[in-house]
Amino acid sequence: AQKVTQAQTEISVVEKEDVTLDCVYETRDTTYYLFWYKQPPSGELVFLIRRNSFDEQNEISGRYSWNFQKSTSSFNFTITASQVVDSAVYFCAHGSGNTGKLIFGQGTTLQVKP
Amino acid sequence: DAGVIQSPRHEVTEMGQEVTLRCKPISGHNSLFWYRQTMMRGLELLIYFNNNVPIDDSGMPEDRFSAKMPNASFSTLKIQPSEPRDSAVYFCASSQAGVNTDTQYFGPGTRLTVL
Repeated sequence: AQKVTQAQTEISVVEKEDVTLDCVYETRDTTYYLFWYKQPPSGELVFLIRRNSFDEQNEISGRYSWNFQKSTSSFNFTITASQVVDSAVYFCAHGSGNTGKLIFGQGTTLQVKP
Repeated sequence: DAGVIQSPRHEVTEMGQEVTLRCKPISGHNSLFWYRQTMMRGLELLIYFNNNVPIDDSGMPEDRFSAKMPNASFSTLKIQPSEPRDSAVYFCASSQAGVNTDTQYFGPGTRLTVL
């Protein structure tokens, strides 16, 4: 069965620091998708990124970057020069290639202090 | 463009009452998902529909929970009778693709409190 582990329950940094959120997954699927979502204090779930299992290229979007490594079953998320507005709970999720179902990790609460 | 719409945003009810949560997916999306979020269990998938047909309801906790999707633009999640342990935030999400795992876009959620 698929499983997503976010070992960091809470992280606290000071503004402008870089921070990496870890995500490790277990899967038997040959085709799968990985996601990151952000849940700010207001409660909504905001989509950040989707990657498929055949694309291991790292991706950068502004201050956000993602490192996908199949060899270690990891899909880590880095925020560069963190800002207070980045404070949120971040979820990593695994989607099976043929079902559409998402399995979420437990989430990492990021607090960015001014 | 309108995102996923859920109503009500907050619901407070007493144990034993029937609760109905509503969801309108993004227009053109053909998959709809209901999730529940609690501190203890995190985000868990309850049920999902593809082209209005329930595909997997293995996450529905028990017979007190039921979900319907009478058409492509509307779904309900009903709890009857409600219990205090049902208190949670219920999210609805929709996506375009039915087979491949396309991106799911979430509604704002309904915060349910059962007294």
